[in-house]
Amino acid sequence: EAGVTQFPSHSVIEKGQTVTLRCDPISGHDNLYWYRRVMGKEIKFLLHFVKESKQDESGMPNNRFLAERTGGTYSTLKVQPAELEDSGVYFCASSYRGTWSPGNEQFFGPGTRLTVL
Amino acid sequence: DQQVKQNSPSLSVQEGRISILNCDYTNSMFDYFLWYKKYPAEGPTFLISISSIKDKNEDGRFTVFLNKSAKHLSLHIVPSQPGDSAVYFCAAPGGMGTSYGKLTFGQGTILTVHP
Repeated sequence: EAGVTQFPSHSVIEKGQTVTLRCDPISGHDNLYWYRRVMGKEIKFLLHFVKESKQDESGMPNNRFLAERTGGTYSTLKVQPAELEDSGVYFCASSYRGTWSPGNEQFFGPGTRLTVL
Repeated sequence: DQQVKQNSPSLSVQEGRISILNCDYTNSMFDYFLWYKKYPAEGPTFLISISSIKDKNEDGRFTVFLNKSAKHLSLHIVPSQPGDSAVYFCAAPGGMGTSYGKLTFGQGTILTVHP
């Protein structure tokens, strides 16, 4: 069974440009999460999709970030325009159910390393 | 306000010895605590969990201890192996927010096990 995949693995862009990150969750997982880790700090929650609906977007930093999950399958996270402080590793995770419980853990993708120059 | 904290950025241990990774939390409403392990260029992978009603959970070489009165948990790895070298994150589902499923992470501790 394929795991969570993310594309691209690495993106280097200039300040002010736009970048779109993609996440393909594990097949059958309705719950999809985006997280970000900035420079060796904690991994921070950004938002949670249940199918195509945003369950919780309380972690989104500002309106330069737009997440979508059309059709309830893959998700994209667009940053427009990118700023220097957006640099970090963006992780996507998926789970079968939305409430954590033993046996229902979140599976993470390898992340996209975003560098804004 | 960081609800889960790992105050040791790194830990170095000799192969065969015990590794102890520590984590503190502030939110007494967490029902579970998790440990994730992360290798370079990979995503975090779930390692072990403990329910807030337990004080110990063991899985092979990995044991997690929970001290609720101190709001502290620790992960013990015995014996440590070079392949255990990774970043270890303490995490808890839920937190200050509407989504119970979201994970709140600590900063991570880099464990290096020397042969």
